[in-house]
Amino acid sequence: EDQVTQSPEALRLQEGESSSLNCSYTVSGLRGLFWYRQDPGKGPEFLFTLYSAGEEKEKERLKATLTKKESFLHITAPKPEDSATYLCAVRNTGGFKTIFGAGTRLFVKA
Amino acid sequence: GAGVSQSPRYKVAKRGQDVALRCDPISGHVSLFWYQQALGQGPEFLTYFQNEAQLDKSGLPSDRFFAERPEGSVSTLKIQRTQQEDSAVYLCASRTTDGGTEAFFGQGTRLTVV
Repeated sequence: EDQVTQSPEALRLQEGESSSLNCSYTVSGLRGLFWYRQDPGKGPEFLFTLYSAGEEKEKERLKATLTKKESFLHITAPKPEDSATYLCAVRNTGGFKTIFGAGTRLFVKA
Repeated sequence: GAGVSQSPRYKVAKRGQDVALRCDPISGHVSLFWYQQALGQGPEFLTYFQNEAQLDKSGLPSDRFFAERPEGSVSTLKIQRTQQEDSAVYLCASRTTDGGTEAFFGQGTRLTVV
């Protein structure tokens, strides 16, 4: 069964303190791994799609990487406005559904 | 429209009441998804439409849940005889095609069953 586990559940950082969020996944055949950002009271906002091990993508202070078993979302010199829940999700090659993890709640203090 | 629009934003229903939640996807988007999100959890897949065809409804939790997209644009998620465990945020997302990557989510409908 396809599964996504994110860690830590919550992460508190000082502004400028870089760190990484982990997403471990099990999928029968990976069609894509997705990262989303979700602010309170809003729907998830797309960040990245990764397709194969070794792939990396960057956007501002965020960088996503992918191996065969996990993905990392690296946050460099975070700012308070980066505070949000970050969701990881996978889609397998055989279906339509996207399976989400429970998310990592990130708090960045000024 | 500019984005995915869901209505109502909030719905309070008495246990046993039927509710209907509406989703207006981005114009021209072929793929449409419904998700259920409990507090502190990630979204859980409910159902998927490609145009008007419902290709996957494996995530619908019971036969009280029903979704339709009759003309391949607006979709409605209906819940009959609501129960307290149905309380959650219901999210709709659309994508250009089945092969597309980026899914655009609406703000969701928060359903509270009392």
